[in-house]
Amino acid sequence: EVQLLESGGGLVQPGGSLRLSCAASGFTFSSYAMSWVRQAPGKGLEWVSAISGSGGSTYYADSVKGRFTISRDNSKNTLYLQMNSLRAEDTAVYYCAKDPSSSSWYKENAFDIWGQGTMVTVSS
Amino acid sequence: QSVLTQPPSVSGAPGQRVTISCTGSSSNIGAGYDVHWYQQLPGTAPKLLIYGNSNRPSGVPDRFSGSKSGTSASLAISGLQAEDEADYYCQSYDSSLSVLFGGGTKLTVL
Repeated sequence: EVQLLESGGGLVQPGGSLRLSCAASGFTFSSYAMSWVRQAPGKGLEWVSAISGSGGSTYYADSVKGRFTISRDNSKNTLYLQMNSLRAEDTAVYYCAKDPSSSSWYKENAFDIWGQGTMVTVSS
Repeated sequence: QSVLTQPPSVSGAPGQRVTISCTGSSSNIGAGYDVHWYQQLPGTAPKLLIYGNSNRPSGVPDRFSGSKSGTSASLAISGLQAEDEADYYCQSYDSSLSVLFGGGTKLTVL
């Protein structure tokens, strides 16, 4: 069964850092681009970042560019999101999501598998 | 205010047909980018419902259908069931803004 399991969320002060992880199973992890998508409490979905299957190409939303870093370890089947200089507006559930068909990230593609999410709260 | 505009809520009785619209512009849906739809049941992660405007992933009932025309797309749900009560989101790409989601539509089954 294809599964994604996020971890690493929690409460952090403004200006602090946090690293999220997403453990993948049930598919050849390195063959697929991956993304992070977040959802603020009671709000809609917002794409945050994407990475190619090899890890050689990364993409970011303007709202997190320069503060967040996406990476992956294909030997561990794990996706990461390093979040620095956190702000109150970064408070959200963070989901990792899989590209349906390619190791290259195509901006028009859907996300076919989602994890259950991990909550990040930025507050003093 | 999302660039992809969805009605905040729609409702219907069991067995009825409802549609949810997703209105964009010439820089996203109108530029030819695909539209995808997700269902988010309360307290759960989104689930892919329709991809590439009108294609259903394996396991999604054919009661769900998608279409696209011009700068808009629609999700139709026929034979409405209580278990369809959820939030629904459209997704596309904008040449200026990158990956976009609509603001979401809450479906209530009366």
